[in-house]
Amino acid sequence: KAGVTQTPRYLIKTRGQQVTLSCSPISGHRSVSWYQQTPGQGLQFLFEYFSETQRNKGNFPGRFSGRQFSNSRSEMNVSTLELGDSALYLCASSKTDRAGGYTFGSGTRLTVV
Amino acid sequence: GESVGLHLPTLSVQEGDNSIINCAYSNSASDYFIWYKQESGKGPQFIIDIRSNMDKRQGQRVTVLLNKTVKHLSLQIAATQPGDSAVYFCAENPLGGSQGNLIFGKGTKLSVKP
Repeated sequence: KAGVTQTPRYLIKTRGQQVTLSCSPISGHRSVSWYQQTPGQGLQFLFEYFSETQRNKGNFPGRFSGRQFSNSRSEMNVSTLELGDSALYLCASSKTDRAGGYTFGSGTRLTVV
Repeated sequence: GESVGLHLPTLSVQEGDNSIINCAYSNSASDYFIWYKQESGKGPQFIIDIRSNMDKRQGQRVTVLLNKTVKHLSLQIAATQPGDSAVYFCAENPLGGSQGNLIFGKGTKLSVKP
């Protein structure tokens, strides 16, 4: 059974650019959440999608956005990149909306230079 | 300015000993708690969860204890093995466990000496 797949694994971007990260949940999972992990702030919730609808959003600026497609795949976009956006971005999916049922992917390591 | 890295608490134990990792949670309204393990280069891995109507829950080699009075959570690992070396996070769900919004603690690095 395939796990949560995040692409790409590593990404280097320049300040001011934008980036799109992709997450393919486990087959049959309809809920997808995104988190940012940095050494300074730890793991922070970005947003959560269920059946193509954003259900919850964390305390991040509007430069961070996301969407979910009808096949439950999700993308997140960060526009006008800043150095501080360098982080590991993690996606997690769940069949139900139970927090304990969330399975995390290995993440996309984004470096902004 | 430059971000200051988190200084992760570190717990060093001998292989075979029991480990206890502690966590203080922030929101008294949280009623669902989870422990995750994160190994280098991987995403967090679910270990065990507990609802606020329980004080204790046991899994395979792991036990989670919840003290709501002081908002404290602990993870006990029995007979710690080298493969248990990782960073451990507690997480709370402030919305009653119904949505995927988790508040993570800062993490504790467990180092197991063979």
